[in-house]
Amino acid sequence: DTAVSQTPKYLVTQMGNDKSIKCEQNLGHDTMYWYKQDSKKFLKIMFSYNNKELIINETVPNRFSPKSPDKAHLNLHINSLELGDSAVYFCASSPRQGSSPLHFGNGTRLTVT
Amino acid sequence: SQQGEEDPQALSIQEGENATMNCSYKTSINNLQWYRQNSGRGLVHLILIRSNEREKHSGRLRVTLDTSKKSSSLLITASRAADTASYFCATDGAGGTSYGKLTFGQGTILTVHP
Repeated sequence: DTAVSQTPKYLVTQMGNDKSIKCEQNLGHDTMYWYKQDSKKFLKIMFSYNNKELIINETVPNRFSPKSPDKAHLNLHINSLELGDSAVYFCASSPRQGSSPLHFGNGTRLTVT
Repeated sequence: SQQGEEDPQALSIQEGENATMNCSYKTSINNLQWYRQNSGRGLVHLILIRSNEREKHSGRLRVTLDTSKKSSSLLITASRAADTASYFCATDGAGGTSYGKLTFGQGTILTVHP
């Protein structure tokens, strides 16, 4: 059983399109995250939700909108995609707010052409 | 700004040798963690060391933490080809304000030749 699963694994789209990435965790964790890994492998946090409530919102363009329908799911919707959005997006979870370590999904490689 | 910085950026060794990776950070921390990332996969947690600990072991892994120098090292002993991966340090901020927000370095790419 995959603990943190993301779909799709690969996403290729054109500039200006809107796309969504889905994430689900079956670990019973309260807290979920979205991280972005750029081409230089630098990982940066984007958002964090604790029990469906947004608790971290880094300096991310408002074209990115996370949604957490329940504590097991955290989806990421991106409007008006730009070339610079190309990256690998990782979903992660942790047992509760402020706890470590994180459990990561296998990532979604987004390519914007 | 980037919190953790790993050194070296890339390391190539033969199977059986030891691999040492270093991490430096800038602000005070609650804990420091090391993760491994295999190509095309997500990060996997290896070991966590708290700010009041100086050394920790887990199997073939040994982590040290020097809070006065704001640095940590990860030693992998008797390396195997399967250890080939990128290794990241991540810091969890101090003062209870981190909310689990980890700040990652850019990683060390380790290649272990059979």
